[in-house]
Amino acid sequence: KQEVTQIPAALSVPEGENLVLNCSFTDSAIYNLQWFRQDPGKGLTSLLLIQSSQREQTSGRLNASLDKSSGRSTLYIAASQPGDSATYLCAVRPWGQNFVFGPGTRLSVLP
Amino acid sequence: DGGITQSPKYLFRKEGQNVTLSCEQNLNHDAMYWYRQDPGQGLRLIYYSQIVNDFQKGDIAEGYSVSREKKESFPLTVTSAQKNPTAFYLCASSGQGDSPLHFGNGTRLTVT
Repeated sequence: KQEVTQIPAALSVPEGENLVLNCSFTDSAIYNLQWFRQDPGKGLTSLLLIQSSQREQTSGRLNASLDKSSGRSTLYIAASQPGDSATYLCAVRPWGQNFVFGPGTRLSVLP
Repeated sequence: DGGITQSPKYLFRKEGQNVTLSCEQNLNHDAMYWYRQDPGQGLRLIYYSQIVNDFQKGDIAEGYSVSREKKESFPLTVTSAQKNPTAFYLCASSGQGDSPLHFGNGTRLTVT
């Protein structure tokens, strides 16, 4: 059964710092991996989707990579801002199964 | 703009009452999902539907029921049989195969 973990569980950084969030999954048989952002009391907002055949995706200050063979993905946030403070979740879509979510990383960017 | 609408945003009910949460999407997606989110826990799948008039139980279906009479609508009923109904409920949808997942803004249900 696919399992997804995220490290660290929480992270606090000063504004302007570059940072990396990690996501690990146990089975490489996936369609894709998706990174989400969740603000308190809100739904999940999709940030980036990486298909299984891709190695990375970029959107503005965000860059997500995927290494299926090692079961890892990273979300790189450049020049962090207080507005980036939120919980970041990754989810994989295994073949023939529903999406599996990680527990999330709670990010605080301090002004 | 296409998206998923959940209503209401907040819902309060007395113990022993059934309550129905609304989820509507105009993304023309075949698949729809209901998740439950509790503090300190990840998202847990309640029910999902891959096509109209068909749905399957997720990991925590006990005490819940759904219907899928129209492609764009997937309402969730929280019954009195659900032991701990107070939670944040999220509805999502996706297209076929390797399509991304889209979420609504959630409904926070409080049962006292």
